[in-house]
Amino acid sequence: ETGVTQTPRHLVMGMTNKKSLKCEQHLGHNAMYWYKQSAKKPLELMFVYNFKEQTENNSVPSRFSPECPNSSHLFLHLHTLQPEDSALYLCASSQDNAGAANYGYTFGSGTRLTVV
Amino acid sequence: GEDVEQSLFLSVREGDSSVINCTYTDSSSTYLYWYKQEPGAGLQLLTYIFSNMDMKQDQRLTVLLNKKDKHLSLRIADTQTGDSAIYFCAESPPSGGYNKLIFGAGTRLAVHP
Repeated sequence: ETGVTQTPRHLVMGMTNKKSLKCEQHLGHNAMYWYKQSAKKPLELMFVYNFKEQTENNSVPSRFSPECPNSSHLFLHLHTLQPEDSALYLCASSQDNAGAANYGYTFGSGTRLTVV
Repeated sequence: GEDVEQSLFLSVREGDSSVINCTYTDSSSTYLYWYKQEPGAGLQLLTYIFSNMDMKQDQRLTVLLNKKDKHLSLRIADTQTGDSAIYFCAESPPSGGYNKLIFGAGTRLAVHP
């Protein structure tokens, strides 16, 4: 365990379903991130939250909806997804945005999402 | 653009040295990173180098940085089967008052006997 926990580990959902991914950290970090990992492609930064405020939305389609109720929890709500959204979704946290450079990120193990 | 480029695959024999290369785009990146991803796991910080350094050594790992060419490399000495994983290079360009990590696609290292 890295200190960042993601649930579920695996998720299969139909294109009309609504589901949520959860990320939790108790490292005292103030910044949290969602990344999408697809095979043979760079990790794609999706959303950034700093002190619970969304500071970046990297042109992500509206069928992905993030929620950050507090600095320890981050959700990704999913609805009407497409098969091409199948990927590994990684959550990460860092001390804070400004200081992230010299601390790096702590990643969770990811949720493997399959859209059928 | 913000593209970090790496070759996708590297195969080495156990006991040999592995060299994984990366090119990045933003010369203002303060730190450059190497992350390791083992099967079924997230990314784990392996090492990083400050942009005013040319080299950093940490046990079997050696990081070389060529700022002029925006080239970063990771050398693993005496590669073991446990080093088989995907290795990601990342840069940290300042953006909008804070830092974010931009990753490459990862290099899959396969170690064979």
